[in-house]
Amino acid sequence: EMVLTQSPGTLSLSPGERATLSCRASQSVGNNYLAWYQQKPGQAPRLLIYGISSRATDIPDRFSGSGSGTEFTLTISRLETEDFAVYYCQQYGTAPTTFGGGTKVEIK
Amino acid sequence: QVQLVQSGAEVKKPGASVKVSCKTSGYTFSNYYVHWVRQAPGQGLEWMGFINPNDGRTTYAQRFQGSLTVTRDMSTTTVYMELTGLSADDTAVYYCAKATRFLQYFETWGKGTTVTVSS
Repeated sequence: EMVLTQSPGTLSLSPGERATLSCRASQSVGNNYLAWYQQKPGQAPRLLIYGISSRATDIPDRFSGSGSGTEFTLTISRLETEDFAVYYCQQYGTAPTTFGGGTKVEIK
Repeated sequence: QVQLVQSGAEVKKPGASVKVSCKTSGYTFSNYYVHWVRQAPGQGLEWMGFINPNDGRTTYAQRFQGSLTVTRDMSTTTVYMELTGLSADDTAVYYCAKATRFLQYFETWGKGTTVTVSS
């Protein structure tokens, strides 16, 4: 199965700073089928991005996704306090669908 | 609006089985696959399997073959996840999630059901 490796494991930043999260796939992601989710403690994941760069409903434009092939990035242009959370990438182009191990964005 | 409402927390002994329900509403049940994803304490997300409510066909992750059964009830638009032969490693929060019409990413999630396996 396709392995997704997220880095860094933890990102310590201050509100207002830019966050850059990486997701690397063990093989090319078919049809650019890559999504990003945000998860806060005690909550279910929330879809942020699908198809590498399309924002889900009601997701603010400070969240953006980019990349191709095996390298993908989630960028949060200016961190708000509510953005401190864990972020997961998911590929759904090759069965079985798989998730990355997550990146925690914490307040510095 | 689209909602997935899961059943309550469960505590089970090793070797037992657990059945978790996911009551759906707000959309055409037969048109969207429903998946199950679990998360062990402090760990990441693990995909388990899904059901096509239209015909009841299922697909499971290899590691759950033989222990996982996902079913649906069309009359109540509810999906069920049953896991047998529980061990402490199955202690986790279990989520149901609705996929999109044609692609298997997850627009809507249930709030999760905590399953604790302990002797």
